[in-house]
Amino acid sequence: GAGVSQTPSNKVTEKGKYVELRCDPISGHTALYWYRQSLGQGPEFLIYFQGTGAADDSGLPNDRFFAVRPEGSVSTLKIQRTERGDSAVYLCASSLSGGTYEQYFGPGTRLTVT
Amino acid sequence: QKEVEQDPGPLSVPEGAIVSLNCTYSNSAFQYFMWYRQYSRKGPELLMYTYSSGNKEDGRFTAQVDKSSKYISLFIRDSQPSDSATYLCAMWTGANNLFFGTGTRLTVIP
Repeated sequence: GAGVSQTPSNKVTEKGKYVELRCDPISGHTALYWYRQSLGQGPEFLIYFQGTGAADDSGLPNDRFFAVRPEGSVSTLKIQRTERGDSAVYLCASSLSGGTYEQYFGPGTRLTVT
Repeated sequence: QKEVEQDPGPLSVPEGAIVSLNCTYSNSAFQYFMWYRQYSRKGPELLMYTYSSGNKEDGRFTAQVDKSSKYISLFIRDSQPSDSATYLCAMWTGANNLFFGTGTRLTVIP
């Protein structure tokens, strides 16, 4: 079946602009996660959704970052007033249910802030 | 100090060699230990997971966990050029998110 998909695959934006990154999880997966992977680093947790609600947003670095999952499927990560330090690959993962190590990752969106 | 430490490499080996990849950790709450493989410009793919101390084998891959030393390893036997990728260790406390190492970039030379 189809895996986790993310769009766009690449996004270049200017400092100060607003961006939206989209994640489409595996069908039937109720849990969705966002991670950020900076160059030469492992993925770092940003936020976890169980259904429509953000169950854990402790990894969001500041209030410029926000994510939604209004219908419990597709999720959008929103970054306001982008900074050069936001440049990274943003990975989305999903799992059949919450509270599991078995998370399936998408290919990521490579964000470059110039 | 990061909770999960991994030597970033890079590691370059000839085809057929045995590869050893390692991570250490500091958080005693970690319960599950995973190895992910990440090809260039792709998302991480789960290779193996282990729960307890000891060895787990899957084909050419063996995962080893030593909880007393807070040390995990992944061994790849008869390495192939197709094994060239970044290998990430990851750990889970039983809550929500995974904690990753920095990844080790492996190149297997034909």
